[in-house]
Amino acid sequence: DTEVTQTPKHLVMGMTNKKSLKCEQHMGHRAMYWYKQKAKKPPELMFVYSYEKLSINESVPSRFSPECPNSSLLNLHLHALQPEDSALYLCASSPRQGQGVTQYFGPGTRLLVL
Amino acid sequence: DQQVKQNSPSLSVQEGRISILNCDYTNSMFDYFLWYKKYPAEGPTFLISISSIKDKNEDGRFTVFLNKSAKHLSLHIVPSQPGDSAVYFCAASAPSGAGSYQLTFGKGTKLSVIP
Repeated sequence: DTEVTQTPKHLVMGMTNKKSLKCEQHMGHRAMYWYKQKAKKPPELMFVYSYEKLSINESVPSRFSPECPNSSLLNLHLHALQPEDSALYLCASSPRQGQGVTQYFGPGTRLLVL
Repeated sequence: DQQVKQNSPSLSVQEGRISILNCDYTNSMFDYFLWYKKYPAEGPTFLISISSIKDKNEDGRFTVFLNKSAKHLSLHIVPSQPGDSAVYFCAASAPSGAGSYQLTFGKGTKLSVIP
């Protein structure tokens, strides 16, 4: 089983709203990732958690706030987003961070900021 | 600077024939390479990978070849099926400090398999 689940599937929010994206995996993976993907572009890494600790933050604006409550869950809290933040937000997980490790992606949350 | 390049934005192939998707890279620190398949509005699905110490890996209809000296890899799909129509992303992994590894993706190649 290589399933990563994400909720919600779609989200529409105004620029003053606060919302959260949720990601879950039950494969015992200890590394989890958030990516952002715009149309016709490759995924861009935002954050990496390794053993529930933030290990990489790719200079993402503070209006995006990640949280890893436990080894199975990853949240992305959104606040005061801009229309240009509209994108597909992908969560991924891997057994660990390291050489030769495959990341498995969830289906994504399609976010529209009005 | 784009470290992983997929120079063909699109490729059309007849059903039953071979599809060959190409990927070039510039960073010699990449030590693991992956191919993902993506349908519109879905997440990338892992297809096949290859370590830098190998030159070929095969899984069913999918074979990945790695030429380290040329910094080139390719994905072969034989025989191609209409359900293979999707965008294919090449990705490469390299250490990024303090035990972390990052994936760098190419821009993708849209494969259309014509019945």
